[in-house]
Amino acid sequence: DAGVTQSPTHLIKTRGQQVTLRCSPISGHKSVSWYQQVLGQGPQFIFQYYEKEERGRGNFPDRFSARQFPNYSSELNVNALLLGDSALYLCASSSASGVSYNEQFFGPGTRLTVL
Amino acid sequence: AQSVTQLGSHVSVSEGALVLLRCNYSSSVPPYLFWYVQYPNQGLQLLLKYTTGATLVKGINGFEAEFKKSETSFHLTKPSAHMSDAAEYFCAVSEAGNQFYFGTGTSLTVIP
Repeated sequence: DAGVTQSPTHLIKTRGQQVTLRCSPISGHKSVSWYQQVLGQGPQFIFQYYEKEERGRGNFPDRFSARQFPNYSSELNVNALLLGDSALYLCASSSASGVSYNEQFFGPGTRLTVL
Repeated sequence: AQSVTQLGSHVSVSEGALVLLRCNYSSSVPPYLFWYVQYPNQGLQLLLKYTTGATLVKGINGFEAEFKKSETSFHLTKPSAHMSDAAEYFCAVSEAGNQFYFGTGTSLTVIP
């Protein structure tokens, strides 16, 4: 079975641009979470979606938004990019809404570089 | 508020030696605790987790961790390091919600 997939693998943008990152969860998983991992730091929670509804939001500005589609795939959008948005963006899927109780499976991430 | 502190951003051990990676947490309620491993250019892989029950948790690849409530610790150990254990290790905590809080990570180097 395929694991969590993310696209694109790498992305280079300039300040002020907008970016969309995509994630496909493991088949049968209905929960998707997004994390930002700045170089040298641990992942920071951004969003969690379950059954197309937002179930959790981390401490990120409104420039960050996400959505989940009927097939449970998800998109993370970041507007008005800043240099500080450069990071590895990780997507994780889980089989249930309470990610605390269930293992999260992580994708390989999308490396975003903002110039 | 929840937080995770990983003591030692870099740890080096000889092949065959004991691996000890330290993690302390703060939480207002009994937490759920996790250790993840990240290999270069890859996502995170769950090593082990503590939710309830036995405080000594065994994970994959010979790793184990012990939840010590009195010390608010969840240290990761492995009796004998292997070259393939070289990676970044993250401790994480969650309070029965939908958010995970990760530590800043410990980079493990295994010396032949």
